[in-house]
Amino acid sequence: GENVEQHPSTLSVQEGDSAVIKCTYSDSASNYFPWYKQELGKRPQLIIDIRSNVGEKKDQRIAVTLNKTAKHFSLHITETQPEDSAVYFCAAFDEKLTFGTGTRLTIIP
Amino acid sequence: DTEVTQTPKHLVMGMTNKKSLKCEQHMGHRAMYWYKQKAKKPPELMFVYSYEKLSINESVPSRFSPECPNSSLLNLHLHALQPEDSALYLCASSQPYVGVGRELFFGEGSRLTVL
Repeated sequence: GENVEQHPSTLSVQEGDSAVIKCTYSDSASNYFPWYKQELGKRPQLIIDIRSNVGEKKDQRIAVTLNKTAKHFSLHITETQPEDSAVYFCAAFDEKLTFGTGTRLTIIP
Repeated sequence: DTEVTQTPKHLVMGMTNKKSLKCEQHMGHRAMYWYKQKAKKPPELMFVYSYEKLSINESVPSRFSPECPNSSLLNLHLHALQPEDSALYLCASSQPYVGVGRELFFGEGSRLTVL
């Protein structure tokens, strides 16, 4: 089955700086890679997603890059704000969605 | 309506009790899911229903029994649970064949405590 590794497990950045979270996956058949944000006590919510035939996708301050050959994908958040503080999960989909272990992002005002 | 509604929000039960978690969506999605999430861990898939038929069971113990009465409703029946089953149970729905534009929508979850 699919195995998704995510790093780092915790990340603290100064407000206004950029944050990068990296994931690797094992199953070359995985074809869809979403990122979820989960605030404390809340549901996971999709923030951005990418298909395997696309290398990069951007939505305002958030971007995702995918290297299919190397089987890794990354989340980039620019100009971070306090409301970006949350746990972020990457995931890979091949018949079912497998989540990474999560990154707790803290934005320091 | 882009909501997945779960009830109850909190549930405390003894190991001999029988209870049920309920999930409802009105987005016309034909795939529904149960996930279990322990503190500081990612969601773990338990069951997937596609077109009201059970398509994936991730080797979940039989003390958890899913039911999909129709395309909008998903239940999880609980019986003889153990304290280690205490967790947040998340329901989700999507169109079949998850992908860009066919994302997974999660409910707020039911927080279960087994005494």
